[in-house]
Amino acid sequence: DTEVTQTPKHLVMGMTNKKSLKCEQHMGHRAMYWYKQKAKKPPELMFVYSYEKLSINESVPSRFSPECPNSSLLNLHLHALQPEDSALYLCASSQDSSRNEQFFGPGTRLTVL
Amino acid sequence: AQTVTQSQPEMSVQEAETVTLSCTYDTSENNYYLFWYKQPPSRQMILVIRQEAYKQQNATENRFSVNFQKAAKSFSLKISDSQLGDTAMYFCAFMNPNTGFQKLVFGTGTRLLVSP
Repeated sequence: DTEVTQTPKHLVMGMTNKKSLKCEQHMGHRAMYWYKQKAKKPPELMFVYSYEKLSINESVPSRFSPECPNSSLLNLHLHALQPEDSALYLCASSQDSSRNEQFFGPGTRLTVL
Repeated sequence: AQTVTQSQPEMSVQEAETVTLSCTYDTSENNYYLFWYKQPPSRQMILVIRQEAYKQQNATENRFSVNFQKAAKSFSLKISDSQLGDTAMYFCAFMNPNTGFQKLVFGTGTRLLVSP
């Protein structure tokens, strides 16, 4: 299994809602990442988990809350988002936190109304 | 801080032709990794090719090859025998392994359109 899966594919939420994005991989990778990608722009790193511990937080607002319950699963909890948070949220994983290829999921397209 | 520049926002090529996408970067590091990622419309991003800075030989993957010029800090991607399926956004990316984490710094991307 060489896939990174993400659910849901699409999500529409209001500014007062609480929702979660889910990412899963079964490749035995120990590093997992969240990126935000606006239209026609490159991905921007948000968070890095290494061996289930948060290693990098790129000064992301607290309305985004990551969670890594186990080595295969990565969540992104969303609360009180703003319309400007609408974007494609990509998850990626790599074998460890060194120099290996990152495998990307298909993303969740989030719209905040 | 490292920066990656892709000066061609869009490019077009006909099927079976060859096209070269440009990428330059800025770093003071001697050891690093460079990547080209492909993101087709509404499909997930995949790695096309990877170059390790300490290797002088240019990386090649089937129809894809790079021209890595370390002194000039240039890392261009050549696509030979272009196919319709090559239509995608292409991102050049830099990674400094000395930080201990695989943080990719992406360029702004080049949108490639392959036409029949």
